[in-house]
Amino acid sequence: NAGVTQTPKFQVLKTGQSMTLQCAQDMNHEYMSWYRQDPGMGLRLIHYSVGAGITDQGEVPNGYNVSRSTTEDFPLRLLSAAPSQTSVYFCASSYSGSQGFRSYNEQFFGPGTRLTVL
Amino acid sequence: GESVGLHLPTLSVQEGDNSIINCAYSNSASDYFIWYKQESGKGPQFIIDIRSNMDKRQGQRVTVLLNKTVKHLSLQIAATQPGDSAVYFCAETEAGSYQLTFGKGTKLSVIP
Repeated sequence: NAGVTQTPKFQVLKTGQSMTLQCAQDMNHEYMSWYRQDPGMGLRLIHYSVGAGITDQGEVPNGYNVSRSTTEDFPLRLLSAAPSQTSVYFCASSYSGSQGFRSYNEQFFGPGTRLTVL
Repeated sequence: GESVGLHLPTLSVQEGDNSIINCAYSNSASDYFIWYKQESGKGPQFIIDIRSNMDKRQGQRVTVLLNKTVKHLSLQIAATQPGDSAVYFCAETEAGSYQLTFGKGTKLSVIP
């Protein structure tokens, strides 16, 4: 299994540009999520999904969109990039509550995408 | 909102010694507490979790202690090895919630 994969690894954008960060998992996990990690801030939840067709907002959703058309993929879209969105982005997946009691505590993280917005 | 935080931002220990990483939380509704390890350039990796109705849980070389009275969580690593060098995050979640709230992290450096 490849686990959780993310592309690209690095990206530089200009203010106002849009882009999509890709995330895929091959573990048949129902739960997927996106976090951003800023220095000294830990990880903050952007959006999450408990299954195909279902998404919800996390702690810092503004400026980001998500969709979940398949179990495997969970792309994150930046609508109009701003310098405040410069960060490292992590995608994670886990079994959902319906797949095992509290199994979503053990989230599997991808390697991250380092995004710089100029 | 309420947040999870850490007492010490950095910790240096001698190889072979035991390490203790501390975490304070403020959300009394938290039901599960989880520890993650993040090595340089990688995503976080799950270590162990503990439910709020427990005060101790052991894994392989790791023990998590929970003191709900003072809202304190700790991760003990026995016989610390160079491969344990990483940033350690505590996280918490409420019952029925999928959302994890992460603390800011403690960097553990192991001196050979």
